Amino acid sequence: AQSVTQLDSQVPVFEEAPVELRCNYSSSVSVYLFWYVQYPNQGLQLLLKYLSGSTLVESINGFEAEFNKSQTSFHLRKPSVHISDTAEYFCAVIMKTSYDKVIFGPGTSLSVIP
Amino acid sequence: KAGVTQTPRYLIKTRGQQVTLSCSPISGHRSVSWYQQTPGQGLQFLFEYFSETQRNKGNFPGRFSGRQFSNSRSEMNVSTLELGDSALYLCASSLELATGELFFGEGSRLTVL
Repeated sequence: AQSVTQLDSQVPVFEEAPVELRCNYSSSVSVYLFWYVQYPNQGLQLLLKYLSGSTLVESINGFEAEFNKSQTSFHLRKPSVHISDTAEYFCAVIMKTSYDKVIFGPGTSLSVIP
Repeated sequence: KAGVTQTPRYLIKTRGQQVTLSCSPISGHRSVSWYQQTPGQGLQFLFEYFSETQRNKGNFPGRFSGRQFSNSRSEMNVSTLELGDSALYLCASSLELATGELFFGEGSRLTVL
């Protein structure tokens, strides 16, 4: 069965410090990978995605994630966080064989401390 | 371009009642999926509809049902409400899941007393 693991449920980090949010997945077939962000009292927004090509993908607000097939990981990183990055971050996968279900990880709550 | 609209945003029900939630997707999007979000269980997939057909269903009891209309608007219904059904119900639309991007509404927060 497919699953997504986010080992860190909460990550506190000081402003302007770097951060890494970890995501590992388990699947017997190839997958597409995503990171979504949920700000307080809002729905989720796509942050970045990996479909094919370069294994390093970037978002417009400075986040990046790297697909590592051998380690089945898709960790999210940012070199310098801002207060406005405080949010819940969800890693997600879609199986290329079915495309009919998105499986989300349990989420990581990022708290940026001023 | 209007986003995904969910109604109502907040509602309170009592055990045993039933509830219907509505989702209007982005114009042109034919795929609508529903998720239940709770602090303890995270985001749980309920079902996905594409062109009025349910393509997949999550592991929820039969009290949870849904449908999609010809204009792609979708509704989900929960009958015989239980306290554990209290959650944020999120709807997401996309052109096609294979494109990889879901557009979420702000959710309907259901409280069951």
